[in-house]
Amino acid sequence: AQSVTQPDIHITVSEGASLELRCNYSYGATPYLFWYVQSPGQGLQLLLKYFSGDTLVQGIKGFEAEFKRSQSSFNLRKPSVHWSDAAEYFCAVGGDSGGGADGLTFGKGTHLIIQP
Amino acid sequence: GAVVSQHPSRVICKSGTSVKIECRSLDFQATTMFWYRQFPKQSLMLMATSNEGSKATYEQGVEKDKFLINHASLTLSTLTVTSAHPEDSSFYICSARTAGQRNTIYFGEGSWLTVV
Repeated sequence: AQSVTQPDIHITVSEGASLELRCNYSYGATPYLFWYVQSPGQGLQLLLKYFSGDTLVQGIKGFEAEFKRSQSSFNLRKPSVHWSDAAEYFCAVGGDSGGGADGLTFGKGTHLIIQP
Repeated sequence: GAVVSQHPSRVICKSGTSVKIECRSLDFQATTMFWYRQFPKQSLMLMATSNEGSKATYEQGVEKDKFLINHASLTLSTLTVTSAHPEDSSFYICSARTAGQRNTIYFGEGSWLTVV
């Protein structure tokens, strides 16, 4: 069965500092990997995704993530955070059972707090 | 980008009644839709996958008779929570993909259900 682990429930970062959110996955085949951001009471916004190819993926809002197969990781990074980045971040994994992307398995999320 | 709209965004219903949540793809044909549930401050859990014109496939532990999913057209899927109980109160989010972009998933804004 597939699973996603986000080991950090909360992370506090000073504005302007760099950020790395960890994500480890378990999946039996080549995974599709996603990072989403969710503001309180809102839906999900896709930050970036990895299907194949270059293992360093660029996303929106200055985020990037690197797929490391040997470590089963897909960590999210940003060189300099802004106060507006404070939100809940979810890593998700899925696959393709033949008809297209399957439903996703989400991690439990990491709550990002930005200190002034 | 493609838009997935959910309605209502918030709904309050009495225990024992049924409530329907709609998920619409506004500018593309959604051959497959997914329904997720999110408890407050928790992760998203996949409930079911529905393909247009077919019966939905439910994840283990999800009661199909309680959570009725209909995907009668390429732009609309509905989730009906039957005989609602307070423990059904949750945030329900749908997502959709199209045959032309099989690996691209679009999420709706979510629907808050409160059962009193």
